[in-house]
Amino acid sequence: DAGVIQSPRHEVTEMGQEVTLRCKPISGHNSLFWYRQTMMRGLELLIYFNNNVPIDDSGMPEDRFSAKMPNASFSTLKIQPSEPRDSAVYFCASSPRSGQVTDTQYFGPGTRLTVL
Amino acid sequence: LAKTTQPISMDSYEGQEVNITCSHNNIATNDYITWYQQFPSQGPRFIIQGYKTKVTNEVASLFIPADRKSSTLSLPRVSLSDTAVYYCLVGDEAAGNKLTFGGGTRVLVKP
Repeated sequence: DAGVIQSPRHEVTEMGQEVTLRCKPISGHNSLFWYRQTMMRGLELLIYFNNNVPIDDSGMPEDRFSAKMPNASFSTLKIQPSEPRDSAVYFCASSPRSGQVTDTQYFGPGTRLTVL
Repeated sequence: LAKTTQPISMDSYEGQEVNITCSHNNIATNDYITWYQQFPSQGPRFIIQGYKTKVTNEVASLFIPADRKSSTLSLPRVSLSDTAVYYCLVGDEAAGNKLTFGGGTRVLVKP
């Protein structure tokens, strides 16, 4: 099992540019989560999907952020335009079942984003 | 969502037992208690989960008193590689699989 795969692992971009982060969940998992981690705010849930459908996007900071899950094996988190305050590590996680609070979440290695 | 409170940091030495207590006074009847571990430059990793009494696995034990307003993660005989941040989370049944991570406890194991 390859685990959750994220790409790129590191991204450096300039303010105003569009950034796209990618995630491949573990095969067979029905829930997918996007988190952001910074020193100041810790680990924050941005959005999560059940069966490819966005369930809760209340953590998405603003309209510059958008997430999609076109199929069960792929999701993207897009920031457009990017700003320096978006610099953080972005994690993707998946879990086996939909809407089960007891399910373990499996995290990817993260994408470290730096916006200059 | 039930809020959790845990110490910011703890120091220990190799071979000692580390106990991290988490307070969750507003835990709901259907909530489970889950602990995750995060090493530097990695994503969090599930350690253990429980509802009441005691749960033990190959990594840790979780003690939950009858009122469930707190829980204690116990790491037996820690090694340097157990240096990490440990998060206590309380699942919100009403929010499905949504987890809220607090600040965590930074555990430093010294030689």
